[in-house]
Amino acid sequence: ETGVTQTPRHLVMGMTNKKSLKCEQHLGHNAMYWYKQSAKKPLELMFVYSLEERVENNSVPSRFSPECPNSSHLFLHLHTLQPEDSALYLCASSRNRGLAGANVLTFGAGSRLTVL
Amino acid sequence: GQQLNQSPQSMFIQEGEDVSMNCTSSSIFNTWLWYKQDPGEGPVLLIALYKAGELTSNGRLTAQFGITRKDSFLNISASIPSDVGIYFCAGHTYSGGGADGLTFGKGTHLIIQP
Repeated sequence: ETGVTQTPRHLVMGMTNKKSLKCEQHLGHNAMYWYKQSAKKPLELMFVYSLEERVENNSVPSRFSPECPNSSHLFLHLHTLQPEDSALYLCASSRNRGLAGANVLTFGAGSRLTVL
Repeated sequence: GQQLNQSPQSMFIQEGEDVSMNCTSSSIFNTWLWYKQDPGEGPVLLIALYKAGELTSNGRLTAQFGITRKDSFLNISASIPSDVGIYFCAGHTYSGGGADGLTFGKGTHLIIQP
């Protein structure tokens, strides 16, 4: 399989549940990202990992916890979420962290999260 | 942070028509990117622009990097049903080079009426 793969594609959870989103890339990229996509809003950068090390955390609430066990896998652990956290969560990767020239983001298809 | 104003928010057109959308900002960007997101999928890169004034084509798509470096437009000629989707612009500044320097527009929804 090639590209960036996200699972599950759809997730419904209650506010007290604990769940995880998974992202896997087969592109040999060194940087991976989590973005939040809400209706009528620009994509919001959540976390950036470069060579398995977290390099950015854009003031994301602690109920979102990322994990990057290796350069091919990225997780987003979810705990005690709120209904306003319902959104499409997109994973992306790039060859390196510096987004310049031909080094651009490749996105997965997203995980649609609904919090009841 | 920077903001991008993308317009129009949505477009209802007939198959075969040409389409034009644009992004403007009060900030200067060093790279402009145009992505398309099909329903149920993630954004896919269409065109990347790296120099002010650059005009680049990809099939029926043409995009330009504005001379002022504060705007970009995307044109689609002779639209077909598979052009339906959301088109996003994104501008990148080289501050640190990371994704925190990448700003996305809110998207243009393209709907093609039969």
